[in-house]
Amino acid sequence: DIQMTQSPSTLSASVGDRVSIACRASQTIYTYLAWYQQKPGKAPKLLIYKASSLENGVPSRFSGSGSGTEFTLSISSLQPDDFATYYCQQYNSFSTFGGGTKVEIK
Amino acid sequence: QVQLVESGGGVVQPGTSLRLSCAASGFTFSNYAMHWVRQAPGKGLEWVAIISSDGSEKHYAGSVKGRFTISRDNSKNTLFLQMISLGAGDTALYYCARDKVVINPIYFFDFWGQGTPVTVSS
Repeated sequence: DIQMTQSPSTLSASVGDRVSIACRASQTIYTYLAWYQQKPGKAPKLLIYKASSLENGVPSRFSGSGSGTEFTLSISSLQPDDFATYYCQQYNSFSTFGGGTKVEIK
Repeated sequence: QVQLVESGGGVVQPGTSLRLSCAASGFTFSNYAMHWVRQAPGKGLEWVAIISSDGSEKHYAGSVKGRFTISRDNSKNTLFLQMISLGAGDTALYYCARDKVVINPIYFFDFWGQGTPVTVSS
């Protein structure tokens, strides 16, 4: 099974900050990686797929990069609506999620 | 608009069974593979199972293989998850989710329901 490791587990930031979340796969997943945002009591929302493709309707301040085993989700200028938990997900071999990164207000 | 509405969750004793349902609307259900994903309280996401658009192919996470059965009724736009031999480790919010791609599944999800909670406790 492919393991996904996210870091950090918690990130404290302020509105307007640029933030980055890392995701590492235990073996190559090429670019078969998605990112989701989840707010408390809500279902996850797809942000990015194929490592860097922005889902329809997702603000352009979100971007994804990486290939192979190392990936990054970046938010160029953090907005109040962005405080949430973010998950990476590999879909090269079935599906595995990372443990999540909670972005909280500093 | 796309809607997925799960039902059937509840509090059950260890070793018992439960059947979850997911009613789909707003899209051509028979064109999409469907998934179940669960989230234990305060924990991350775990993919559980997939069923192909026509129901002919099914795959499961190792943690549920042999105990859970995914199925669908395309005439009723409904997805199911039959769960047997439930244990404390199955306590979670169970989401149904639509595969992003028409017909050939790619294993990531563009629409999710709001989830139905399952609690396994004596």
